[in-house]
Amino acid sequence: DTAVSQTPKYLVTQMGNDKSIKCEQNLGHDTMYWYKQDSKKFLKIMFSYNNKELIINETVPNRFSPKSPDKAHLNLHINSLELGDSAVYFCASSSRTSGGTNTGELFFGEGSRLTVL
Amino acid sequence: LAKTTQPISMDSYEGQEVNITCSHNNIATNDYITWYQQFPSQGPRFIIQGYKTKVTNEVASLFIPADRKSSTLSLPRVSLSDTAVYYCLVGDIYYEDSNYQLIWGAGTKLIIKP
Repeated sequence: DTAVSQTPKYLVTQMGNDKSIKCEQNLGHDTMYWYKQDSKKFLKIMFSYNNKELIINETVPNRFSPKSPDKAHLNLHINSLELGDSAVYFCASSSRTSGGTNTGELFFGEGSRLTVL
Repeated sequence: LAKTTQPISMDSYEGQEVNITCSHNNIATNDYITWYQQFPSQGPRFIIQGYKTKVTNEVASLFIPADRKSSTLSLPRVSLSDTAVYYCLVGDIYYEDSNYQLIWGAGTKLIIKP
């Protein structure tokens, strides 16, 4: 039973197109994220989102927009795709930390490899 | 937020103990140290977390000296399946947006040979 699942796993598209990646978590977490991992394996946070607040990494172009229909889903929509958008995009979730034994552990999906031609 | 420095890559052999050291000179009083493991074509996975001294779980041990400016992830008796990238992160886990603040480096690529 997959905890964080994202689709599609692979996406090949042309420059200028608009695409979406979907993410769902069944862990009951209140916070979800999108990360971008480039070819050098650096993971960069793009968005952090819970029911109340969207935190946007200011380096993310506004062509990228997260959309959350409900607490268990956070989709990533990308407009006017560019070559530099090619990367692996990871969705993750965690519980908002509130002390106690919560480690703030991030649970990641398997990633969506986007290739822009 | 504290940045971390790790070796880019390491090699070892099956059955050996592997120690990966991470430097975090600017670690703050409230920061915890967390390690993640990433296999090819998968998302990172939490391995272990600690604040000071030693933490051990079924997968690894984490050694943290008194000054907390570094930490060492120890993998006992590695196998080929431990080949992965290992990330060291520091952050205040009790800060509500701590995961957003985390800075992920390139990690340490560990290759285990037969």
